[in-house]
Amino acid sequence: DTAVSQTPKYLVTQMGNDKSIKCEQNLGHDTMYWYKQDSKKFLKIMFSYNNKELIINETVPNRFSPKSPDKAHLNLHINSLELGDSAVYFCASSQGAGGYEQYFGPGTRLTVT
Amino acid sequence: AQRVTQPEKLLSVFKGAPVELKCNYSYSGSPELFWYVQYSRQRLQLLLRHISRESIKGFTADLNKGETSFHLKKPFAQEEDSAMYYCALFNTDKLIFGTGTRLQVFP
Repeated sequence: DTAVSQTPKYLVTQMGNDKSIKCEQNLGHDTMYWYKQDSKKFLKIMFSYNNKELIINETVPNRFSPKSPDKAHLNLHINSLELGDSAVYFCASSQGAGGYEQYFGPGTRLTVT
Repeated sequence: AQRVTQPEKLLSVFKGAPVELKCNYSYSGSPELFWYVQYSRQRLQLLLRHISRESIKGFTADLNKGETSFHLKKPFAQEEDSAMYYCALFNTDKLIFGTGTRLQVFP
């Protein structure tokens, strides 16, 4: 009955590889987000989708491509991974795109070697 | 530019002491402000938001537009309050987070 789930929890991979992180929410929310938390714990929005439509794309390299097959899922695909991509990636969802409470997933710790 | 500042990276207090986690913002207009908390090994979750004006787990936060602040306060800290606290500002369509303050409450 987890509200927002992410897989995998941990991801260790080499530079240059392509990887995906999956996110699912069972709250019936319309809006989903991807955040990146760096080593200093700074949390920054990357993308937001509302009803499967991209509404926020924050100066993120083209190597990052979100995909929302339906309202309950928002996946993040990363091409040609770089050392600087190492971080914890959080998925979140909210009832709508306004100032609603956001519900966060447990995070995916990505380590690029 | 809209910004949220949390000047303290780490705040350490003893159990029973008062706590104040500082948050200042820059925003033109009426801000929507939040405090999110992340306990050890748990996910980030909403603690409180200024429009609800409620006390959660003994914490309160008052919006001071004159000082552009939204400090989080608790009169008597508990060990279980130890966590990472993020102040956040809702701007148009996204949350802008501060850099976070780690609160350590010693027994």
